[in-house]
Amino acid sequence: GENVEQHPSTLSVQEGDSAVIKCTYSDSASNYFPWYKQELGKRPQLIIDIRSNVGEKKDQRIAVTLNKTAKHFSLHITETQPEDSAVYFCAATSDFGNEKLTFGTGTRLTIIP
Amino acid sequence: SAVISQKPSRDICQRGTSLTIQCQVDSQVTMMFWYRQQPGQSLTLIATANQGSEATYESGFVIDKFPISRPNLTFSTLTVSNMSPEDSSIYLCSVGGSSTTRSYNEQFFGPGTRLTVL
Repeated sequence: GENVEQHPSTLSVQEGDSAVIKCTYSDSASNYFPWYKQELGKRPQLIIDIRSNVGEKKDQRIAVTLNKTAKHFSLHITETQPEDSAVYFCAATSDFGNEKLTFGTGTRLTIIP
Repeated sequence: SAVISQKPSRDICQRGTSLTIQCQVDSQVTMMFWYRQQPGQSLTLIATANQGSEATYESGFVIDKFPISRPNLTFSTLTVSNMSPEDSSIYLCSVGGSSTTRSYNEQFFGPGTRLTVL
């Protein structure tokens, strides 16, 4: 089955700086890669996603890049703000027709004011 | 996106008892999933709840321990049976394949049920 690795496990950045979180996946058949943000005590929220036919996608201060050849994808947050502090999870799906997600281990992002 | 609710939001249970968690969606969805998230950990898929048929369980999870029902396209239940302290966790449902989402793959999570087993 699919295996997703995520790095780093913790990340602290100064407010206003950029943050990058990286994930690798094992199944070359994976074709959908979402990112979730989970604040303390709350549910995971889908913040951005990318498909295997696209190399990059942006949504305001958030962007995701995908390298199919290397089987890795990354989340980029620019101009970080205190409200960006949360745990971020990457995921991948490799089951056509089933759509079950395999999650990475998570990155705890702390924005330092 | 779909509005997803779970009941109960939290519970404290005694060892050996069972708890049924409900997941309700305000629109019809093709897929419903049940996850477990232990404190400080990632999300682990327990099973896919299939409408009108038996759930599909992931490795390490069995129907006798986690029976699942899905009677229609908007509702599912997960039962945690014969509980032990190791079952203390947050249980979340997620939904996907909704006609109201931007794409078929998108999955959205319910608020979760925080279970403590004494």
